[in-house]
Amino acid sequence: GAGVSQSPSNKVTEKGKDVELRCDPISGHTALYWYRQSLGQGLEFLIYFQGNSAPDKSGLPSDRFSAERTGGSVSTLTIQRTQQEDSAVYLCASSPQPARAEAFFGQGTRLTVV
Amino acid sequence: DQQVKQNSPSLSVQEGRISILNCDYTNSMFDYFLWYKKYPAEGPTFLISISSIKDKNEDGRFTVFLNKSAKHLSLHIVPSQPGDSAVYFCAANEVQGAQKLVFGQGTRLTINP
Repeated sequence: GAGVSQSPSNKVTEKGKDVELRCDPISGHTALYWYRQSLGQGLEFLIYFQGNSAPDKSGLPSDRFSAERTGGSVSTLTIQRTQQEDSAVYLCASSPQPARAEAFFGQGTRLTVV
Repeated sequence: DQQVKQNSPSLSVQEGRISILNCDYTNSMFDYFLWYKKYPAEGPTFLISISSIKDKNEDGRFTVFLNKSAKHLSLHIVPSQPGDSAVYFCAANEVQGAQKLVFGQGTRLTINP
């Protein structure tokens, strides 16, 4: 079966441009997470979707960041007016249920802002 | 506010010996804990988990210990193998609460032949 799929795998963008990162979770998984890992850092929580509940956006670093999840499946993370400090690997994960279950990660999107 | 902390950024262990990775947490509401392993250019993969109702969980060469009073957990790998060289992350969540997975900063484990 297919795992979590993220696209693109790599993205180089100019400072000030907008970018969209896509995540296709495992079919049937109700929980979806976005994290990012900056160079030499840990996994920083960004946003969490669970079913039809309002998403937990408490980790989004600024209002330039937004995410949506359409139809309870595919998710898009959008970064507007990118800055160099946005350069990181953006990881998406999904889980069959939010608690007492491991989250399955995609391979990530490496974003480089030049 | 780092709720999950891995204070050792790196650890080097000889092949065949025991590797012990440590993790501390501050949120007393956390009641489910997980360890993930990450190779370069790959997403993290789940390794082992433990519920707060237990103090030990074992899966082959991997054992996780939980000390709730100290808010501390550890991952033991024995015997260590070269393929275990990776970055290890601990994570925690609140089953009845916020539920989002909170990760530590990771520990890079290197197994020397």
